[in-house]
Amino acid sequence: QVQLVESGGGLVKPGGSLRLSCAASGFSFSDFYLIWIRQAPGKGLEWVSYIYGSDTTINYAESVKGRFTVSRDNAKTSLYLQMNSLRAEDTAMYYCARPRCTGSYSCGFENWGQGTMVTVSS
Amino acid sequence: SFELIQPPSVSVSPGQTATLNCSGNKLGEKYVCWYQHKSGQSPVLVIYQDSKRPFGIPERFSGSNSGNTATLTISGTQSLDDGDYYCQVWDSSTVLFGGGTKLTVL
Repeated sequence: QVQLVESGGGLVKPGGSLRLSCAASGFSFSDFYLIWIRQAPGKGLEWVSYIYGSDTTINYAESVKGRFTVSRDNAKTSLYLQMNSLRAEDTAMYYCARPRCTGSYSCGFENWGQGTMVTVSS
Repeated sequence: SFELIQPPSVSVSPGQTATLNCSGNKLGEKYVCWYQHKSGQSPVLVIYQDSKRPFGIPERFSGSNSGNTATLTISGTQSLDDGDYYCQVWDSSTVLFGGGTKLTVL
């Protein structure tokens, strides 16, 4: 079955960096775009970034643009999020997710990892 | 920029029908998805393409979308339906979530 497992979260000082990973299994990895979504404590869900299966299309939320970089390794079936210049407001649970279907934006995100917590604090 | 507005909270008695709204300008022209999110767990997709249920989602969950409002309806609400519910759309190549509605079943 589809499995997504995030790792790499932790405590980091403002201005620091972290690299999150999402190990995927159970599906044809390169066929799907993947997405990072976060939830700050006491807040709602917020989209962070997505990347197409072929790496040709990438997009970021304005709040992270220029600081975060998404990438993927189709051979390793893994998704990454390099987070630089971290701020207190980046503190959140970070989830990777996969859409229910390929070729459409309307199918929703059916598969989610368990999340990895990032805390930015001095 | 496009915004999705959800009421912060909705309360319902067990067995009754819960109606959760999500509003946005001409929202009916977009496809809406709904997620259930319980504390300490990962979000669960309960409705996609306005009204379709993924495999394994109970029939008591239904959705509609018209005009400026999308609605998630939970019929015969159960205590296990307690949680936060988020609507979501794509707009201009970005993913948008509503602020979420906390559903309390009491």
